[in-house]
Amino acid sequence: DAGVIQSPRHEVTEMGQEVTLRCKPISGHDYLFWYRQTMMRGLELLIYFNNNVPIDDSGMPEDRFSAKMPNASFSTLKIQPSEPRDSAVYFCASSRQGVGYGYTFGSGTRLTVV
Amino acid sequence: DQQVKQNSPSLSVQEGRISILNCDYTNSMFDYFLWYKKYPAEGPTFLISISSIKDKNEDGRFTVFLNKSAKHLSLHIVPSQPGDSAVYFCAAILYYGGSQGNLIFGKGTKLSVKP
Repeated sequence: DAGVIQSPRHEVTEMGQEVTLRCKPISGHDYLFWYRQTMMRGLELLIYFNNNVPIDDSGMPEDRFSAKMPNASFSTLKIQPSEPRDSAVYFCASSRQGVGYGYTFGSGTRLTVV
Repeated sequence: DQQVKQNSPSLSVQEGRISILNCDYTNSMFDYFLWYKKYPAEGPTFLISISSIKDKNEDGRFTVFLNKSAKHLSLHIVPSQPGDSAVYFCAAILYYGGSQGNLIFGKGTKLSVKP
């Protein structure tokens, strides 16, 4: 299994531009999570899906952020318009139902908004 | 309001000695506690977990201790090796009526094991 695959690994964009981050979860995993890591706030959950349905998006910082999961093998996190304070590492993770230790993380996307 | 706290941002230990990483939490309803290890430019990887009904779980050189009355857990690494140098995240999870909750992470402790 290739694990959770995120793309791109690095993204540098100008303020005001749209940014789309992509994630392919592990096949058979029911849950998909988007986390953001910053120095100030550490790892914080943005949104998670169960069977492609968004369950909790209370961590999404603003309406500029949106996430979709059109099918079991693909999810996107979109920021429009992007701002410098969105600069962070964004991680996608997936897991099976009811497995407390089964979160598998991707390698992350390092986003820099200039 | 941080529900999971790691108050030591960094820890330096000599190779072969014990590393003890600490974590405190505020929510007594957490069902599971987990430790993740993270190397630079990689995602966190699962290390070891403990159920809230246990007080100790051991896996090779890694042992996690849970003190529910103090709302405190710790990760012991014995003996420490240079390859253990990484950021260690403590995390906790709630299950809602059998459904999966989400992992709540501490801010991490950077462990440096010196040869």
